[in-house]
Amino acid sequence: GENVEQHPSTLSVQEGDSAVIKCTYSDSASNYFPWYKQELGKRPQLIIDIRSNVGEKKDQRIAVTLNKTAKHFSLHITETQPEDSAVYFCAASIGGGNKLTFGTGTQLKVEL
Amino acid sequence: EPEVTQTPSHQVTQMGQEVILRCVPISNHLYFYWYRQILGQKVEFLVSFYNNEISEKSEIFDDQFSVERPDGSNFTLKIRSTKLEDSAMYFCASSGGARGYTFGSGTRLTVV
Repeated sequence: GENVEQHPSTLSVQEGDSAVIKCTYSDSASNYFPWYKQELGKRPQLIIDIRSNVGEKKDQRIAVTLNKTAKHFSLHITETQPEDSAVYFCAASIGGGNKLTFGTGTQLKVEL
Repeated sequence: EPEVTQTPSHQVTQMGQEVILRCVPISNHLYFYWYRQILGQKVEFLVSFYNNEISEKSEIFDDQFSVERPDGSNFTLKIRSTKLEDSAMYFCASSGGARGYTFGSGTRLTVV
């Protein structure tokens, strides 16, 4: 089955700096890659997603890149703010109603 | 914006007791899921449900677990004889297939 690896497990940045979180997946059939932000005790909230027919997607300060050949995808957050502090999870799915396989999460801390 | 609702938000139960976790998926979604998140760990897939039957289940979803869609709106997860290690946050999710997944706010299950 699908296996998703995520790095780093913790990331500490200064406010205003950029943060990059990387994931790799194993199943070449995966074609949907969402990123979730989870605050303590809350549900995972979708922040951005990308499908395998595009290589990059951007939404304001957040961007995701996908390299299908290498089977990895990354989340980029620019101009980080304290409210970006949370756990971020990547996930992969073969789509069409199939399950999400999650990465192990990255605890992002944005320091003042 | 449509939401997935879950009840109860927190359930405390004695080891060996049965619990039923309830979910109301988004009305026009076709795919329903249960995920589990042990404190501090990643989100793990339990089961997916489509067209009134289980479409996929993980190795976690053993004989003590069952799911039902008893009517047109509710989707339930039953744990027959709870164990201490079942303590976790349980998230229901639904999707429309081509679109992203929407997670409920979760039920925190504590087995004592």
